[in-house]
Amino acid sequence: GQNIDQPTEMTATEGAIVQINCTYQTSGFNGLFWYQQHAGEAPTFLSYNVLDGLEEKGRFSSFLSRSKGYSYLLLKELQMKDSASYLCAVRDGDSSYKLIFGSGTRLLVRP
Amino acid sequence: EAQVTQNPRYLITVTGKKLTVTCSQNMNHEYMSWYRQDPGLGLRQIYYSMNVEVTDKGDVPEGYKVSRKEKRNFPLILESPSPNQTSLYFCASRGRVSYEQYFGPGTRLTVT
Repeated sequence: GQNIDQPTEMTATEGAIVQINCTYQTSGFNGLFWYQQHAGEAPTFLSYNVLDGLEEKGRFSSFLSRSKGYSYLLLKELQMKDSASYLCAVRDGDSSYKLIFGSGTRLLVRP
Repeated sequence: EAQVTQNPRYLITVTGKKLTVTCSQNMNHEYMSWYRQDPGLGLRQIYYSMNVEVTDKGDVPEGYKVSRKEKRNFPLILESPSPNQTSLYFCASRGRVSYEQYFGPGTRLTVT
C-alpha cells in the first residue's frame, strides 16, 4: 500500500533549527516534494528531490535517501512566519503527475 | 500575474444538486490536478490531467468528474453531491519542464 508518515505537530523557538522528517512506503517513486501551507491558504512549493542527498535553498534544505524511504526538511534561523504546516508528497513512479501526500506537520514557532 | 483561479471560493449546497467548480490557469501549463483536503487526512488527489483531453484518476475519484477541453480550464463536476464531499478543494497546475506546482486559492464546499 501507499503510506507517507510525518509527525503531526512540532514546536520550536525563533532563531533555532528544526528538522521535519518524512518516511514513505509507495509502490513506485519518482521524486519527493515539500510544500508549505499557512492556515487558510493554498500550499506553496518548497523543494523537489529525486536523487539522494541534500538540496539547499536559502534557510530551507531538503534531504532524500531513497534506499531508506526517508526525507527531511531542515529549517534554519526560524522566524515566526515559518509557523505553518509542512507537507511531504511523493510522485508515483508510474505517472508523472500522480502525487501522494502525507498528512502534514504543523510547526509552531515560539518567540 | 501568473495564477490559478477557482470559483466559487465558498459554496453551500444540498445533497443531490449538481455543481461545478471551475479552475483556470494563465501559465499555459500542461498538467492540472484537483485535490481535496480534510483534517487529519492531508491532501488527496481526485483527478489529474496531463494535457487537453487526457485525464486520469487520482486516489479518490468516486463521485467526481472532470473534463479538459481547453488547456487553461479544468472544471470539477459533482453530479450528485453528498455530505461526505464536504471539504476544501484545491486546483493546481504545473508545466512540463518545472516540478513547481501552483495551487489555486481553494474552494470550501459544504453539502448538507
